[in-house]
Amino acid sequence: TQLLEQSPQFLSIQEGENLTVYCNSSSVFSSLQWYRQEPGEGPVLLVTVVTGGEVKKLKRLTFQFGDARKDSSLHITAAQPGDTGLYLCAGARGGTYKYIFGTGTRLKVLA
Amino acid sequence: EAQVTQNPRYLITVTGKKLTVTCSQNMNHEYMSWYRQDPGLGLRQIYYSMNVEVTDKGDVPEGYKVSRKEKRNFPLILESPSPNQTSLYFCASSLNSGTTYEQYFGPGTRLTVT
Repeated sequence: TQLLEQSPQFLSIQEGENLTVYCNSSSVFSSLQWYRQEPGEGPVLLVTVVTGGEVKKLKRLTFQFGDARKDSSLHITAAQPGDTGLYLCAGARGGTYKYIFGTGTRLKVLA
Repeated sequence: EAQVTQNPRYLITVTGKKLTVTCSQNMNHEYMSWYRQDPGLGLRQIYYSMNVEVTDKGDVPEGYKVSRKEKRNFPLILESPSPNQTSLYFCASSLNSGTTYEQYFGPGTRLTVT
C-alpha cells in the first residue's frame, strides 16, 4: 500500500515565524498537490507540482517537488494567523485519477 | 457560482438502513470522486468516475456503491450502513489539465451510523 507521510502532524508557531511541512513517500507520483482545509469545509487546492525538482511560489508559500518525485515540501515565510488550517498533500498515481492523501499537518499561527 | 454541492450535510442513521448522499457539480467536469476523512487516516478515495457510466474503485470501496448516469451528478450509496462507515464524506470534481487533475471539493457530509 502506498503511503504519504506528513510531518510534523501538529505545529503551533508565533506570527512572523517561518515553517516547513514535509510530505514523504517511497513511491513515485506523477504529480503532487497541496491543499488547505478549514474546519467544516472541504480541502481547497493550493498548488500542483508535476516535474521533479519543480519549485512553485504562491505569495509567502513555496512548494517543492523532490527530484525523484517521491517527496515534497511546503515552506511558509512569515506565517500569519490566516495561514492556520490543515495542510494536506496528495499524490496522483501514474497519471490516473487515483489519489492518495497524506494524513495532514495541522498548523496554528498565534497572533 | 462554480461549486460542488452535497446533500445532506449531516445525517444520523441506524445500521442497515439504506441511504444516498448526493453530489452535484455545475462546472461541466468529467471527473468526480468520493472520499472519506477519518482522524489519523486522512482522506481516502472510495470511488471515482472518469465520465458518464465509467466508474472505478478507489482504496476503500467496500460497503459503497456509486453511479454516474449524468455528468453533473455522482451519488454515493450505502446499501446497508454499518457503524464503521461513520465518517466525514467529501465529493470532488476535477478538471483534467493534461497531466493533472485540479480537484474541487464539496463542503462535506458528516454521517453517523448507530
